[in-house]
Amino acid sequence: KQEVTQIPAALSVPEGENLVLNCSFTDSAIYNLQWFRQDPGKGLTSLLLIQSSQREQTSGRLNASLDKSSGRSTLYIAASQPGDSATYLCAASGGGADGLTFGKGTHLIIQP
Amino acid sequence: AAGVIQSPRHLIKEKRETATLKCYPIPRHDTVYWYQQGPGQDPQFLISFYEKMQSDKGSIPDRFSAQQFSDYHSELNMSSLELGDSALYFCASSLGTLNTEAFFGQGTRLTVV
Repeated sequence: KQEVTQIPAALSVPEGENLVLNCSFTDSAIYNLQWFRQDPGKGLTSLLLIQSSQREQTSGRLNASLDKSSGRSTLYIAASQPGDSATYLCAASGGGADGLTFGKGTHLIIQP
Repeated sequence: AAGVIQSPRHLIKEKRETATLKCYPIPRHDTVYWYQQGPGQDPQFLISFYEKMQSDKGSIPDRFSAQQFSDYHSELNMSSLELGDSALYFCASSLGTLNTEAFFGQGTRLTVV
């Protein structure tokens, strides 16, 4: 059974810093890995999708990498802003219409 | 751009009652997923449908059932509600089932009292 772990569970940094959120998964036979953002009590906003054949994806200040063999993904946020404060979740897909397996998230606070 | 629409956004039910949650996927998306997110928890996969057929089943209780209709919208039916069913219920949709991005709705917050 796939298990997804996110480290750290919480992170508080001053505005402007670059930061890295980590995600690890136990079963490397994934089809893709997706990073989401969730604001308190709100829905999940998809940030980046990395296919299993890809090594990284970029969108604006966000860069996500994937190393299937080691079961790891990282989300890099450049020049952080207070508006980036949210919980960031990574989720692994086993393919087909299998549901995503989520990590417990990293609660990020960017201090103004 | 059109997103995944869920209704209602909030629902309050008493124990042992029944609830029906609705999900309208992004136009042309043929796959729908349901997730349950308890307070402070990560989303847990419940069930999915592809082309109106049940595709995969996760940790969905036997008291719950779901279906996908001819217009691809989906409904999650929950009976004999328990206090522990109080959660945020998300629907997601995708186009196809392989290597496709899942888009989530805003969720339905169910409170069982």
